[in-house]
Amino acid sequence: AQTVTQSQPEMSVQEAETVTLSCTYDTSESDYYLFWYKQPPSRQMILVIRQEAYKQQNATENRFSVNFQKAAKSFSLKISDSQLGDAAMYFCAYRSPGFNYQLIWGAGTKLIIKP
Amino acid sequence: DARVTQTPRDKVTEMGQEVTMRCQPILGHNTVFWYRQTMMQGLELLAYFRNRAPLDDSGMPKDRFSAEMPDATLATLKIQPSEPRDSAVYFCASGLSTGTGKHEQYFGPGTRLTVT
Repeated sequence: AQTVTQSQPEMSVQEAETVTLSCTYDTSESDYYLFWYKQPPSRQMILVIRQEAYKQQNATENRFSVNFQKAAKSFSLKISDSQLGDAAMYFCAYRSPGFNYQLIWGAGTKLIIKP
Repeated sequence: DARVTQTPRDKVTEMGQEVTMRCQPILGHNTVFWYRQTMMQGLELLAYFRNRAPLDDSGMPKDRFSAEMPDATLATLKIQPSEPRDSAVYFCASGLSTGTGKHEQYFGPGTRLTVT
């Protein structure tokens, strides 16, 4: 069975600095999808970024980028130029291909932005 | 700006009462998911539907929980009778399955349920 591990329960960063959130996963599949979701205090779950395992290029969405290391089964999220609005819980999630739609979730990392 | 909507946003009820949570998926999406989030367990998948048919509800306590999709624009999650341990945030998410494998889930704002 697949598992997702986020080893950092909490991280803090100074506003405008860069922070990296870690995520590792365990799977025997060669093709899969990885996601980062953000959950601010409003509790809305927001999709931040997605990575397909068959793509070697790291996904990027504005200030958010990932470092996808398939061999190491690592999927970290880098947030550049941190803003106060980035303060939230961040969840890493894994999904198998095909019709198994279940997302396997990490425990989350709480990101604190210091003004 | 298409969004998943959920009602009610917050619900406080007494133990033993019936609770119904509703979800309107994004128009055109053909998959719907129900999740429960608690501090202790994190996010748990309760059930999911594809084209209104239940594909997996193994995460749901069958004796008191039921999930249905009366039509493509409405999904419901019912708890009867409710218990204090059901207190949690319940999320609905929807997505579009096209058979290509790409399938993102978009979440509603959640229903915070408190059972006293």
